[in-house]
Amino acid sequence: DAGVTQSPTHLIKTRGQQVTLRCSPKSGHDTVSWYQQALGQGPQFIFQYYEEEERQRGNFPDRFSGHQFPNYSSELNVNALLLGDSALYLCASSFRFRVGTSNYGYTFGSGTRLTVV
Amino acid sequence: AQSVTQLDSHVSVSEGTPVLLRCNYSSSYSPSLFWYVQHPNKGLQLLLKYTSAATLVKGINGFEAEFKKSETSFHLTKPSAHMSDAAEYFCVVIVSSGGSYIPTFGRGTSLIVHP
Repeated sequence: DAGVTQSPTHLIKTRGQQVTLRCSPKSGHDTVSWYQQALGQGPQFIFQYYEEEERQRGNFPDRFSGHQFPNYSSELNVNALLLGDSALYLCASSFRFRVGTSNYGYTFGSGTRLTVV
Repeated sequence: AQSVTQLDSHVSVSEGTPVLLRCNYSSSYSPSLFWYVQHPNKGLQLLLKYTSAATLVKGINGFEAEFKKSETSFHLTKPSAHMSDAAEYFCVVIVSSGGSYIPTFGRGTSLIVHP
């Protein structure tokens, strides 16, 4: 049973460019959340997608946008890249309606390391 | 608002000695709490979770945590550290917001294990 898959694993971009990161959730999961983890920091919540809609959003500018597809996979897009966007971007999947029971949990991918130069 | 505070940014122990990583939570109701571990250049791995069942939770690799409501704590312990335990550890609370449930991370504690 595959866990959460993220691609690419590493990426180098230039300031001002745009980037797209991809995430395939764990089998059976329908909700995808994205996190940004800067060096030496804990992951910060960007947004969460369920039923192809953004359901919750953290304190991130509109340059950060996303999408969820009918097969539950998701993309994170960042426009007009800044040096400060350099970070590990983590995707987490879950099954929405199991949250709140003892059976729920979040599974994290290994992340995409984005470097902006 | 629900949140977690990890009290130590770094903890240093010798191999074979006990490990204690401290986490306090803030929540108006019984929270769902987790500990995750992140090894260098790796993703996050779930160590254990508390979801209002037994207050003493056993996880993988010999780790356990005790939920103490009176102290609003969820400290992570291990009787004997191993070199392979050196990693970053995150205490996480599930925050309920607008019908969604969002894992919210502490700042992390770096565990250093000396030979």
